[in-house]
Amino acid sequence: GAVVSQHPSWVICKSGTSVKIECRSLDFQATTMFWYRQFPKQSLMLMATSNEGSKATYEQGVEKDKFLINHASLTLSTLTVTSAHPEDSSFYICSAPRGGISNYNEQFFGPGTRLTVL
Amino acid sequence: GDSVTQMEGPVTLSEEAFLTINCTYTATGYPSLFWYVQYPGEGLQLLLKATKADDKGSNKGFEATYRKETTSFHLEKGSVQVSDSAVYFCALSDRGSGNTPLVFGKGTRLSVIA
Repeated sequence: GAVVSQHPSWVICKSGTSVKIECRSLDFQATTMFWYRQFPKQSLMLMATSNEGSKATYEQGVEKDKFLINHASLTLSTLTVTSAHPEDSSFYICSAPRGGISNYNEQFFGPGTRLTVL
Repeated sequence: GDSVTQMEGPVTLSEEAFLTINCTYTATGYPSLFWYVQYPGEGLQLLLKATKADDKGSNKGFEATYRKETTSFHLEKGSVQVSDSAVYFCALSDRGSGNTPLVFGKGTRLSVIA
């Protein structure tokens, strides 16, 4: 099946620093990618939709100036957590839809990035 | 808005036991429904899906039937194995094309013991 990678898989940073997380579709092109956040023992919550060549669309309550998204190419979207604080510690997951035989586009998920802010 | 409710875990079963994980949803339209599985240390993988009422999704011995009348999509497996230990997420997409984000339930952790 299709592969979506994320880098890094885990990161520890100091409060106040910025962290960039990459999401790559390795064997297909994705004009749209989604960024989710997962708290321990909770569900995935959509943060934003990343659109290649245009601005990201953020969900209500997500600070766009704090979580910067750049969809630089058809295979790469980045999420930058700016001025990170301990409350930003979480598991960040990206997904990308890929067209199939039918009109249905299956979504493929990256393995996630665990961010710990000290 | 759309939402998914699935049974709280964790669920602990002995090998070869029958598994049911309940999932109900609310949606304004005609959503597509999914079960995803997350094995320890890995990303989410699509387990099965159903895109319209009465469809049955199946994969690896797991089944779920899209029940519009009860707005449910319960996951079942007749005989679980230790390798099925994982977290299972029920999800929906309110437009079945897949270019829309998914709405997830909270996940149910399954532990199967030998």
